[in-house]
Amino acid sequence: DGGITQSPKYLFRKEGQNVTLSCEQNLNHDAMYWYRQDPGQGLRLIYYSQIVNDFQKGDIAEGYSVSREKKESFPLTVTSAQKNPTAFYLCASSIRRSGNQPQHFGDGTRLSIL
Amino acid sequence: ILNVEQSPQSLHVQEGDSTNFTCSFPSSNFYALHWYRWETAKSPEALFVMTLNGDEKKKGRISATLNTKEGYSYLYIKGSQPEDSATYLCAFTTSGTYKYIFGTGTRLKVLA
Repeated sequence: DGGITQSPKYLFRKEGQNVTLSCEQNLNHDAMYWYRQDPGQGLRLIYYSQIVNDFQKGDIAEGYSVSREKKESFPLTVTSAQKNPTAFYLCASSIRRSGNQPQHFGDGTRLSIL
Repeated sequence: ILNVEQSPQSLHVQEGDSTNFTCSFPSSNFYALHWYRWETAKSPEALFVMTLNGDEKKKGRISATLNTKEGYSYLYIKGSQPEDSATYLCAFTTSGTYKYIFGTGTRLKVLA
């Protein structure tokens, strides 16, 4: 069954710590995305990647970093520079980044501060 | 700042009722309008992608319409069932940037 796998489901971060959220897809999609959801707000784009070894900042990239070394994988690191990391994080992919392709989502990771 | 508004924020309906929600978006630089269903503890699932003014899409008891000139889309559910309970998200994409801008969703609860 093709899909997107995010792990872990729940993650706790200590002050000053970097944490990495995993996102893997077996849909053979070129484009991948990371979104953040906060209560009462729509999904906001953190980073996106259209192709391996290329990625672009979204609207709220500060305090986050990504890599795209393989087509299937797009991990997100929440660095200590992100002062308010508590949120729900969703990874998504689409066949290509064209705006008229539906996005396929993972189940999400909930990040909390210890 | 591009903004997508969804209304109502939440609603409760009885099983068998028909219902509809609204998604309002900027009418300029329109490229596509997406609807997603997001059930609790699951991932958002794509329902429809609409690109042309006047588009109508249907999937079972759920249908959607699009008016790009005035910047709105309606999602209709006919004969709501408890399994329709979910948050319904819309997203608007702009021409050129292909950026997806999501609304905050309409949370639907269908009471048996």
